[in-house]
Amino acid sequence: KNQVEQSPQSLIILEGKNCTLQCNYTVSPFSNLRWYKQDTGRGPVSLTIMTFSENTKSNGRYTATLDADTKQSSLHITASQLSDSASYICVVSVGTGGFKTIFGAGTRLFVKA
Amino acid sequence: GAVVSQHPSWVICKSGTSVKIECRSLDFQATTMFWYRQFPKQSLMLMATSNEGSKATYEQGVEKDKFLINHASLTLSTLTVTSAHPEDSSFYICSVKGGSGSYWETQYFGPGTRLLVL
Repeated sequence: KNQVEQSPQSLIILEGKNCTLQCNYTVSPFSNLRWYKQDTGRGPVSLTIMTFSENTKSNGRYTATLDADTKQSSLHITASQLSDSASYICVVSVGTGGFKTIFGAGTRLFVKA
Repeated sequence: GAVVSQHPSWVICKSGTSVKIECRSLDFQATTMFWYRQFPKQSLMLMATSNEGSKATYEQGVEKDKFLINHASLTLSTLTVTSAHPEDSSFYICSVKGGSGSYWETQYFGPGTRLLVL
């Protein structure tokens, strides 16, 4: 069964600190993995996308890693800001065309001043 | 990236009425659009895949007669919630995928429409 599991479910950190969010997946065949940021009451916004051959990709203070062997991905946020408070969703696409997507439940991040 | 808009951004309606939500791809032609529903503190759930000029493909458990989808052009898809009931209250989000270039790899989401049925 194709599944995407994220941890932790929620996380509270102080402004300026770093944090890492986890995503484990059991998807076959794997097409690509994306991380999205969703602010409350808004649609998700893409942060990174990685294919099978990519191990790491950065987007500003966001760095995503992918281990295709262990089927794990992480999203590292550096020097967190209050505006980073949001839900972070891991999405894995299945199949050669990547049409079918499996959404993780998301990690809710709260950054406190 | 692609710009996707939704209208309205929020709507309140009485039980039994129908509500139409529009999704527009503003800067490229979207052959495929997706409609999602999201309940509080839950992730997005795919409702249906809409292909321009053809019937939508609904996910298991989604009533096609209740959630009418029309994808009449490459830039517009509409979702009509017919005879809405309070349990239909949710956050409805559309997304688009193009057919070439960078748009193929990334799914772009609209800002969402919050529906409250009284």
